[in-house]
Amino acid sequence: GQQVMQIPQYQHVQEGEDFTTYCNSSTTLSNIQWYKQRPGGHPVFLIQLVKSGEVKKQKRLTFQFGEAKKNSSLHITATQTTDVGTYFCAASPNTGNQFYFGTGTSLTVIP
Amino acid sequence: KAGVTQTPRYLIKTRGQQVTLSCSPISGHRSVSWYQQTPGQGLQFLFEYFSETQRNKGNFPGRFSGRQFSNSRSEMNVSTLELGDSALYLCASSTEDPGAGGKLFFGSGTQLSVL
Repeated sequence: GQQVMQIPQYQHVQEGEDFTTYCNSSTTLSNIQWYKQRPGGHPVFLIQLVKSGEVKKQKRLTFQFGEAKKNSSLHITATQTTDVGTYFCAASPNTGNQFYFGTGTSLTVIP
Repeated sequence: KAGVTQTPRYLIKTRGQQVTLSCSPISGHRSVSWYQQTPGQGLQFLFEYFSETQRNKGNFPGRFSGRQFSNSRSEMNVSTLELGDSALYLCASSTEDPGAGGKLFFGSGTQLSVL
């Protein structure tokens, strides 16, 4: 079953506003990855976090991995219409190789 | 380098039929994973193959099966189709186990409609 919870499920923002999605697991994760799926498209890899407390940036996107390696967040600063899509986290627990995707956060950016 | 190729792109079947979907991974990628995507359930893991061996299996009934060939190409089969099997089936390849940090490269998927 689903082991990775993601919130919120939907988010509507005005262009220029910030956006954050959160990913939570009940178990410690070996690593966490983030993917973006544009409407009608397929998921595309964005980034991978491995270390406890790790923070990575890609232009306006900031990714964080929690100290306990049980949660992660993706923050987008000053959203643009090109940011529209569904953002998924994906992770594997330490004890196995099962790879779970979060439920996803669908981002709508209003021009 | 060619991406992950899935065929067919669209498929319409009726209840009770069976279906076979095909996936050709990126050259050199030995791990192939399959996911079912529906609006209500998101991306659900079906199974993962590496070097022709199924290493992991998700929580799906036995009607869902798969295999991987020596050239890393993979097929998944769904027998006795049900209406609830209507979904986008995504295949993803990676150089190593996703759980160990292998990033997934997805194909465009096969949109299956069961009538």
